[in-house]
Amino acid sequence: DAKTTQPPSMDCAEGRAANLPCNHSTISGNEYVYWYRQIHSQGPQYIIHGLKNNETNEMASLIITEDRKSSTLILPHATLRDTAVYYCIVRVGGAGGTSYGKLTFGQGTILTVHP
Amino acid sequence: DTEVTQTPKHLVMGMTNKKSLKCEQHMGHRAMYWYKQKAKKPPELMFVYSYEKLSINESVPSRFSPECPNSSLLNLHLHALQPEDSALYLCASSQAGGGRDEKLFFGSGTQLSVL
Repeated sequence: DAKTTQPPSMDCAEGRAANLPCNHSTISGNEYVYWYRQIHSQGPQYIIHGLKNNETNEMASLIITEDRKSSTLILPHATLRDTAVYYCIVRVGGAGGTSYGKLTFGQGTILTVHP
Repeated sequence: DTEVTQTPKHLVMGMTNKKSLKCEQHMGHRAMYWYKQKAKKPPELMFVYSYEKLSINESVPSRFSPECPNSSLLNLHLHALQPEDSALYLCASSQAGGGRDEKLFFGSGTQLSVL
């Protein structure tokens, strides 16, 4: 799986959009970008994933650049409960891939949402 | 039901003890995972089971012994652990199709302390 680079920490004001960047310059054509978050003392929680196109769900939006070398997770209206460590992960999708079944976490970004 | 249930939530054991961690899911998922997470570090993959068969062992010491008795249950048997094995042990499950929607669902973990 390709390696990811994220800023170690970010701050955001409550009610504002939080934009979390991720660099994955060595991503391969069949590797998906996944985002998970981990709130203190809980297990990681799936947020969103994508391959080429931008994606949106009830939690967040994922913007992937055209060359796929970087992406941004957007939390449109951050709340105090969004304070967590956010992990950007790239992994092979599809059965039979050599890294099938693996989800390798990087260091992540600690997002702190302030009142 | 989208829960992965882990028991116990906390465990303290001596270096000569034998204990087991238990993980259960009822989502019909056929892949189950054990991760280890040290304080302020990202989760690290230990084992992956796919269709009740061990498919990935990340060179984990033999004092950790996984078991998947059926598609809903995953155990981690612990014997002769060291203090440095103290960590949060996370269980996860996924559909095991290896396709685009291979989201992992995590439990809240077992906080293990080895004395």
